[in-house]
This record gives sequence, C-alpha cells and structure tokens, in this order.
Amino acid sequence: EPEVTQTPSHQVTQMGQEVILRCVPISNHLYFYWYRQILGQKVEFLVSFYNNEISEKSEIFDDQFSVERPDGSNFTLKIRSTKLEDSAMYFCASSVGTLAGITGELFFGEGSRLTVL
Amino acid sequence: KQEVTQIPAALSVPEGENLVLNCSFTDSAIYNLQWFRQDPGKGLTSLLLIQSSQREQTSGRLNASLDKSSGRSTLYIAASQPGDSATYLCAVGGNTGFQKLVFGTGTRLLVSP
Repeated sequence: EPEVTQTPSHQVTQMGQEVILRCVPISNHLYFYWYRQILGQKVEFLVSFYNNEISEKSEIFDDQFSVERPDGSNFTLKIRSTKLEDSAMYFCASSVGTLAGITGELFFGEGSRLTVL
Repeated sequence: KQEVTQIPAALSVPEGENLVLNCSFTDSAIYNLQWFRQDPGKGLTSLLLIQSSQREQTSGRLNASLDKSSGRSTLYIAASQPGDSATYLCAVGGNTGFQKLVFGTGTRLLVSP
C-alpha cells in the first residue's frame, strides 16, 4: 500500500543550526503538508503546498521556515536557524486533492522527531 | 477560529466493551472530518473520513458519525481489543480546497485484557 515516507526519523541539532526534513509523498497526490506536534500538545498545521507554491501557512510558519519540492518526488521542510522551541515531531502529509469530488483524505508519514539542544 | 475538543481525555476499559469517543468543533462550516489513530511516538493512521454531506462512515468495528449542525462527531468502537489501545485524534477540515486540518487533543484509550 502506498505510504508517505519521512527522513530522518530522529535528528538532534544545536540551536542556530539549519535543519532539512525530507518527505516522499504518495506518488499520485497533488497536495502536500507539514504539521508538527510538540510533546504533549495538539498536532498543528504549518503549511500546505500545491502546484509548486505555498497555498496556506499558519502563523507558526515564519521566515525561518521554508518548503520546497526540488524534484518530482521529494518535499522538504527547512528550518534556517533552529530554536529550542522548534523541538517537536514534524509530520508530512499528502492528499489527492479536494476538487472534483476527490475525498481530500490526508495520509501522514511516521514523523521526524527534531530535538534542538 | 475553529476549536476542536475531545472527551474524555483518557479512557480505560476491559476487553470486549463497546465504547464511544466524542469530538466537538465550534465552527460548523467544515469540509470533512477525519479520525486518526496515533500509537506512542508514531505517526497518524487515518481511520475514517466523513464528508460534510455524510452522516456516518463504517470500517470494520469502527463507526463514525457526524452531526455538522451541532458541531459533533462520535467514534464508536465495537468489541474493543487490547490492540485498540492508542490515542484517537479527531481532525476537522475547513471549507477550502486545501484541507488544512484542525486537530483535537485526542482521547488516550487503554483496553486491558
């Protein structure tokens, strides 16, 4: 069964360092997302991406964050200068879409745990 | 701003019981609602998706209902098993094409043998 895959599963970094989290969405999906979950808190939306551009972003997704689809399969989240409060589980998700009656069901990856020291 | 609440926060039941998890949301202008399962330290597994025009969806021992006008959804689990132990998350999709989901805090379920 097709699935969303994420790498790395766990990354430890020093505050101020750049981090890139990688995702391979399901191949026929058109919409891509990043969510995060700080330990013990709700899953929060960060950004959605469609047709090679950001379609929506939350207030969390400030200038320190960026997303890219560098090729036909990968979708990345970059944090330019990590802060302690960026420590969280980051989830990538994808969906076929919500137009023309398509369900819009989101499928999530296993997550990348980011620890900022 | 959409707010999603789930009760109870935690639930412990013996194996074999039927149980109901509740989800409520403040803005009824939703596109759909998804129920997820999350095992500790793991990703989110989609269980059921209900479109805003639907009243319920079933998958095996799971049945989810949606009452959009009152802002409520329930997840019914029949004949619970220890393998059902996990956190169950409700997420509401807004009325746009981009499926930004707003999540509840979840119900942590423990089913004991």
